[in-house]
Amino acid sequence: AQSVTQLDSHVSVSEGTPVLLRCNYSSSYSPSLFWYVQHPNKGLQLLLKYTSAATLVKGINGFEAEFKKSETSFHLTKPSAHMSDAAEYFCVVSDRLGSQGNLIFGKGTKLSVKP
Amino acid sequence: KAGVTQTPRYLIKTRGQQVTLSCSPISGHRSVSWYQQTPGQGLQFLFEYFSETQRNKGNFPGRFSGRQFSNSRSEMNVSTLELGDSALYLCASSPDRVDRYEQYFGPGTRLTVT
Repeated sequence: AQSVTQLDSHVSVSEGTPVLLRCNYSSSYSPSLFWYVQHPNKGLQLLLKYTSAATLVKGINGFEAEFKKSETSFHLTKPSAHMSDAAEYFCVVSDRLGSQGNLIFGKGTKLSVKP
Repeated sequence: KAGVTQTPRYLIKTRGQQVTLSCSPISGHRSVSWYQQTPGQGLQFLFEYFSETQRNKGNFPGRFSGRQFSNSRSEMNVSTLELGDSALYLCASSPDRVDRYEQYFGPGTRLTVT
């Protein structure tokens, strides 16, 4: 069975400093992995996705994530945080071989950005 | 392209009533999935529809049901509402191609059960 663990429920950074949101996954198959962002009272927006093409994945708004199979990790990074990055971030796994409609979400990491 | 739309955006119902939520996917997307989001349980998968057929189902009681129409629009229904059904219900559509598994989410319907 697939699962994801987001290692931090809350991360606080200062504007202009790097962001690191950590995610470990468990999957029996070759997984598809995603990061979604949810701003307050909004739906979920896809930041980036990994589907076995390149291990370093670039997304929108300067975010990127690296798939490391040996560490079963898919951490999200950004070199310099902006105030508008404050939101909740979800690491997500999908089983490509089976239930494509079934995304499994981590518990979320709330990112705060201080001025 | 227009995004995923959900109606209504907000809903207040009483225990024991039933409710129907609607979702219109992105044009050309044939897969529609539904999720429930609560502070305690996080985001949980309800079901997925593809070409008017339920393709996958999460671990929710039979009070939760859905359907999909020939134009890919989907509805979900919750009967005999309970207080614990208060949540944000999110709909997502997907291109459902071998090389594209991502889902695109609507803004959600906020359901409050009193």
